[in-house]
Amino acid sequence: QKEVEQNSGPLSVPEGAIASLNCTYSDRGSQSFFWYRQYSGKSPELIMFIYSNGDKEDGRFTAQLNKASQYVSLLIRDSQPSDSATYLCAVKDSNYQLIWGAGTKLIIKP
Amino acid sequence: EAEVAQSPRYKITEKSQAVAFWCDPISGHATLYWYRQILGQGPELLVQFQDESVVDDSQLPKDRFSAERLKGVDSTLKIQPAELGDSAMYLCASSLGRGENIQYFGAGTRLSVL
Repeated sequence: QKEVEQNSGPLSVPEGAIASLNCTYSDRGSQSFFWYRQYSGKSPELIMFIYSNGDKEDGRFTAQLNKASQYVSLLIRDSQPSDSATYLCAVKDSNYQLIWGAGTKLIIKP
Repeated sequence: EAEVAQSPRYKITEKSQAVAFWCDPISGHATLYWYRQILGQGPELLVQFQDESVVDDSQLPKDRFSAERLKGVDSTLKIQPAELGDSAMYLCASSLGRGENIQYFGAGTRLSVL
């Protein structure tokens, strides 16, 4: 069964520091990788997507993909209290189905 | 900004009752998804439509759940009868197509079954 694994957390990071969120996946044929942010009681909101090996930066967010290691990460620089949320990793497999991780809860401490 | 519309936002019902959720995807989006999300878990795909056709309903409990997208635009998800274990967030998402396209979510419906 295809799986996406995330540490459930909570991950506690001081305000202004870098938050690093990690995700591993089992399907080597996966081509697209997504990070969604979900505030408590709200629906998931797309933060970043990445298709190619390496880094992709968007403002304070950087997605990193290593297909050989089947590993994708999200870095949040200059973390703010408003970044406190659950971050969901989603991987589109070789059948174009989106496989979801259970999410990592991130807490930014002022 | 275009968005996925869902209603109602909240629904409280008693077990054995029928409930229905409605979703209107972003205009032009051919693919529509219904997910169920239990607290502390990732979304679980219940059903996926391509236009008006079901392309994946393998995880839909068909004895009590049904979904339709008759004209290939808006969609309804129904539960009859509701059970206590159905309490969850029901999310609708849409994308341009099935391939590499990004899924955008509506606000969701929080269902509580008493």
